[in-house]
Amino acid sequence: DAGVTQTPRHEVAEKGQTIILKCEPVSGHNDLFWYRQTKIQGLELLSYFRSKSLMEDGGAFKDRFKAEMLNSSFSTLKIQPTEPKDSAVYLCASSRDNTGQLYFGEGSKLTVL
Amino acid sequence: AQSVTQPDARVTVSEGASLQLRCKYSYSATPYLFWYVQYPRQGLQLLLKYYSGDPVVQGVNSFEAEFSKSNSSFHLQKASVHWSDSAVYFCALSPNSNNRIFFGDGTQLVVKP
Repeated sequence: DAGVTQTPRHEVAEKGQTIILKCEPVSGHNDLFWYRQTKIQGLELLSYFRSKSLMEDGGAFKDRFKAEMLNSSFSTLKIQPTEPKDSAVYLCASSRDNTGQLYFGEGSKLTVL
Repeated sequence: AQSVTQPDARVTVSEGASLQLRCKYSYSATPYLFWYVQYPRQGLQLLLKYYSGDPVVQGVNSFEAEFSKSNSSFHLQKASVHWSDSAVYFCALSPNSNNRIFFGDGTQLVVKP
C-alpha cells in the first residue's frame, strides 16, 4: 500500500501570498490530521478529519488556515495570507482505526519570506 | 487534561552503549502510549505502542518500552545503539475513547561513533 503522500515537499512564498499544501492519505484510512512542526513549538495540531468531517480545527489557527477534505483520498491545507511566522514543516497523517496509531507523510517545508 | 513530558531535549550516547529516553504522561486513566521516531527530512514513524497487558512492549529495531502505571511513565530503551539510531524520538498518548493523539516535545538522540 502507498503511504501518505504530501506535495509539494518544499514551498517558498512571499509574505501575503496564498499557498495550498496537498495530502493523500493511506487508502482506506478514515482519519486525517494536519500538524505544524517547528523547533520551538514542536508538533501542533491544525486540523483533524474523521470520515471527511472536520472534528477539530486547531483553535488558534482558524483565521488564516483552512483545511478541507474534498473526498476520502485527498485533503488540502490553505494558508491565506502567509506570514513569515508560518515558516515550518507541515505534516499530514492518517489513521485507519480508533487507536491513535498514525501514518505520517514526509512533510511540506514552507518558507515565507 | 492529558499531557506528555519528555524531560530531555537532547541525549548523546556512544555507539554500542545502552539507551533510555524518558517519558512521563498525565492522564486520569491508562491511555494508549506510543513512541515515534523522526529521521531527518522525514515524517514520524511508529516504533512501538502500548494498549494493555504486558508492561514491556517490543518495537522495531530492537527498541522496547516499559509502561509503569505507578510512575506514569513509558520510557524507551535499547540495549546497544547504532549510529543510524540518531533521530528525534517522540512519546505520545491517546485517550482510549478517540483518535486524538498528544505528542511530547521530542528528544534528539545523537549517537557518537
